[in-house]
Amino acid sequence: GAVVSQHPSWVICKSGTSVKIECRSLDFQATTMFWYRQFPKQSLMLMATSNEGSKATYEQGVEKDKFLINHASLTLSTLTVTSAHPEDSSFYICSAPDSKFYEQYFGPGTRLTVT
Amino acid sequence: GDSVTQMEGPVTLSEEAFLTINCTYTATGYPSLFWYVQYPGEGLQLLLKATKADDKGSNKGFEATYRKETTSFHLEKGSVQVSDSAVYFCALKDQAGTALIFGKGTTLS
Repeated sequence: GAVVSQHPSWVICKSGTSVKIECRSLDFQATTMFWYRQFPKQSLMLMATSNEGSKATYEQGVEKDKFLINHASLTLSTLTVTSAHPEDSSFYICSAPDSKFYEQYFGPGTRLTVT
Repeated sequence: GDSVTQMEGPVTLSEEAFLTINCTYTATGYPSLFWYVQYPGEGLQLLLKATKADDKGSNKGFEATYRKETTSFHLEKGSVQVSDSAVYFCALKDQAGTALIFGKGTTLS
């Protein structure tokens, strides 16, 4: 089946710095990718929809200036957490649907810890 | 808005026991329903799905039936194995949507 990778798998950064997380579709093209955030023992919450060639669509309550999304190509979307703070520590997961949106393929996730 | 409610975990069972994880949803129209599984250290994987009322999704011995009258999509397995230990997420995708709406997840051990 289709594979989605994320890099890095985990990262620790200091408060105030920025962190970039990459999401790649390895064997298919994805004009749309989704970014989710998962808190411990909580559900996945959709943060934004990343669209190749246009601006990302953010969910209500998600700060677009803090979580910068760039869909650089048909196989790559990046999420940059700017000026990270400890409350941004979380598990970030991306997904990419197949061309007809019948199924979504999820990356393994990136655990961000801000100290 | 649309939402998914799953039974709280964790669920602890003996090997070969019967498993049920309850899932109910709230949505307008006719959503598609999914069960995803997340094994330790891995990404979410689609376990099974159903796209219309009375459909039964099945995979790896797991089953779930789309019940529109009770707005439910309960996950069942007749005989669980140690290898089934994971977190299970119920999710829906509405007719117009593309992203998934997830329940909170249920840990099975």
